[in-house]
Amino acid sequence: DVKVTQSSRYLVKRTGEKVFLECVQDMDHENMFWYRQDPGLGLRLIYFSYDVKMKEKGDIPEGYSVSREKKERFSLILESASTNQTSMYLCASSVDPTYEQYFGPGTRLTVT
Amino acid sequence: EDKVVQSPLSLVVHEGDTVTLNCSYEVTNFRSLLWYKQEKKAPTFLFMLTSSGIEKKSGRLSSILDKKELFSILNITATQTGDSAVYLCAVPAGNMLTFGGGTRLMVKP
Repeated sequence: DVKVTQSSRYLVKRTGEKVFLECVQDMDHENMFWYRQDPGLGLRLIYFSYDVKMKEKGDIPEGYSVSREKKERFSLILESASTNQTSMYLCASSVDPTYEQYFGPGTRLTVT
Repeated sequence: EDKVVQSPLSLVVHEGDTVTLNCSYEVTNFRSLLWYKQEKKAPTFLFMLTSSGIEKKSGRLSSILDKKELFSILNITATQTGDSAVYLCAVPAGNMLTFGGGTRLMVKP
């Protein structure tokens, strides 16, 4: 079974804090993705990575950065958290970026 | 701009009912359409459709694609409370997936 894990299920941070969200997959997938999901807006792609140290901006990269130092691990960084970054964050991986993606359980981040 | 639109936004039915969920799309160089089910947490994959008119089926769920009219439907027959979820469709656009906003289905006992 493909497994995608995320470091936290729930996280509460203060405005201005630096936030790290980690994602690990065990299927040797080249491609990894970070989405945020908000009511009425669906899933929106923040960043994706198609190889170690390679990344591409998605639809809403502003205020976020990513790091992929190892194939199995993809981190999302909020340099200075703001209240409008309160959301559900989902990580996914896939063998091909346009095929079936396997999702992690999500991290619900609240920024106060 | 690539676009994926799902309807209805939400739906409430009773157990045993049949439901039809819709997904329409406008993308350049269409390749496939994917359906996911999302309960409390991670979306789980249901179907990938690439050819018009060929039904994909898994138990009580089935889906079909119409590439001429640019839409897909997801049918659920004899619904159960366990079918309550958000159903998402997605289409590859460039080298990423574009997701629709989802349809929230609630099945009452």
